[in-house]
Amino acid sequence: KQEVTQIPAALSVPEGENLVLNCSFTDSAIYNLQWFRQDPGKGLTSLLLIQSSQREQTSGRLNASLDKSSGRSTLYIAASQPGDSATYLCAVMDTNAGKSTFGDGTTLTVKP
Amino acid sequence: DGGITQSPKYLFRKEGQNVTLSCEQNLNHDAMYWYRQDPGQGLRLIYYSQIVNDFQKGDIAEGYSVSREKKESFPLTVTSAQKNPTAFYLCASSMGKGELFFGEGSRLTVL
Repeated sequence: KQEVTQIPAALSVPEGENLVLNCSFTDSAIYNLQWFRQDPGKGLTSLLLIQSSQREQTSGRLNASLDKSSGRSTLYIAASQPGDSATYLCAVMDTNAGKSTFGDGTTLTVKP
Repeated sequence: DGGITQSPKYLFRKEGQNVTLSCEQNLNHDAMYWYRQDPGQGLRLIYYSQIVNDFQKGDIAEGYSVSREKKESFPLTVTSAQKNPTAFYLCASSMGKGELFFGEGSRLTVL
């Protein structure tokens, strides 16, 4: 059974700092890995999708990498802003079952 | 605008009652999913459907039921057999095994 772990559970940084969020998974037979943002009481907003054949994806100040062999992905946020404060979740989609397993998320607070 | 609509946004249920949460998508996606989220936790899969008239149990299907009679609709019924139904419920869809898109969620509270 796929297990997804996100470390740290919570992170607080001053505005302007660069930061890295981590996601690890136990089964490397994944179809893709997706990073999401969730604001309190809201649904999930897709940030980046990395296909299993890709090593990284970039969108604006966000960069996500994928290392299938080691079962790890990182989300890099450059020049953090207070508006980046949210919970960030990663999800891996299984190749065979076609369903995604989520980590518990990292709650980020960016202080002005 | 294309997207996923969940209703109602807030729902209160008395013990012993069944309730149905609606999920409608106009993205022409084949696959639809229901997840449950408890405070401070990630999402756990309840049911998913990859094509019309077919669905599979996820990791926590006990006490829930679904139907998939139309491509755009995937309602979730929370039955009285679900012992701890108070949670945030999220519906998602995807084109095959592609990118997941989520609705805004429905918050169910048992009185």
